Amino acid sequence: AQRVTQPEKLLSVFKGAPVELKCNYSYSGSPELFWYVQYSRQRLQLLLRHISRESIKGFTADLNKGETSFHLKKPFAQEEDSAMYYCALIPRPQGGSEKLVFGKGTKLTVNP
Amino acid sequence: KAGVTQTPRYLIKTRGQQVTLSCSPISGHRSVSWYQQTPGQGLQFLFEYFSETQRNKGNFPGRFSGRQFSNSRSEMNVSTLELGDSALYLCASSLAGSGYTFGSGTRLTVV
Repeated sequence: AQRVTQPEKLLSVFKGAPVELKCNYSYSGSPELFWYVQYSRQRLQLLLRHISRESIKGFTADLNKGETSFHLKKPFAQEEDSAMYYCALIPRPQGGSEKLVFGKGTKLTVNP
Repeated sequence: KAGVTQTPRYLIKTRGQQVTLSCSPISGHRSVSWYQQTPGQGLQFLFEYFSETQRNKGNFPGRFSGRQFSNSRSEMNVSTLELGDSALYLCASSLAGSGYTFGSGTRLTVV
C-alpha cells in the first residue's frame, strides 16, 4: 500500500529562519513526488514536483530514495509562506492513472 | 485561461437526499479527478476519469459515483447522504502528466 507521512501537524518558525517540512513515503515502486500548498482561503495549488528539480518561491525538495523522503526546505522563511503544505505521491506505474496519495498536511506559521 | 470551475460552491442537504456536484476542467485537460477533504481524514481520492472512462476509483462506498462527458466536464453524485459525507469536495484536472490543477471545491454540509 502507498502511504505518505508528514510527521508534523504544526510547524512554527520566525521570519528569516530556515524551514524544513518533513515528508516520508512508503511505496515499493518508483513514485512521483509533489508538494502542494494551500494558502488561507485559496485553492490547493502545486508548489513543486521532484521530476522538475526546480525551486519555486525559494522552496526546494530533494527525493531521497534510500530514506524514502521528500522534505521541503527554504533557507529563509517569509510571513507569506504561512500556509498548509501537503506532500503527495503518484504511485507509478499504475496503468496511466495519476491518482494522488496525500499526506495529512503540515500547517506552517511564520511569525514576524 | 480559466481554471477548474466547480459548482455549486456551497450546498446544504438533508440526510437521505442525493446530491450532484459539477466540475469543468481547464480547456484541453482530459483527465479529471475528485477528492474528499475533511479535517479528520485529510485529502482522500474518490475517482479519476480520462476520456469519459473511469481510470481509477478510491475506497468509497457505492453511494459515491461519477461520470465524465465528451467535453471532459465531470459530475459526481452521492446518494442517500449521511452526516459523515459533510466535506469539501475537490475536483482537479490534468494535461497528461503535467500535475493536477485544483478547483476551489464544493463545500457540502449534510444536516
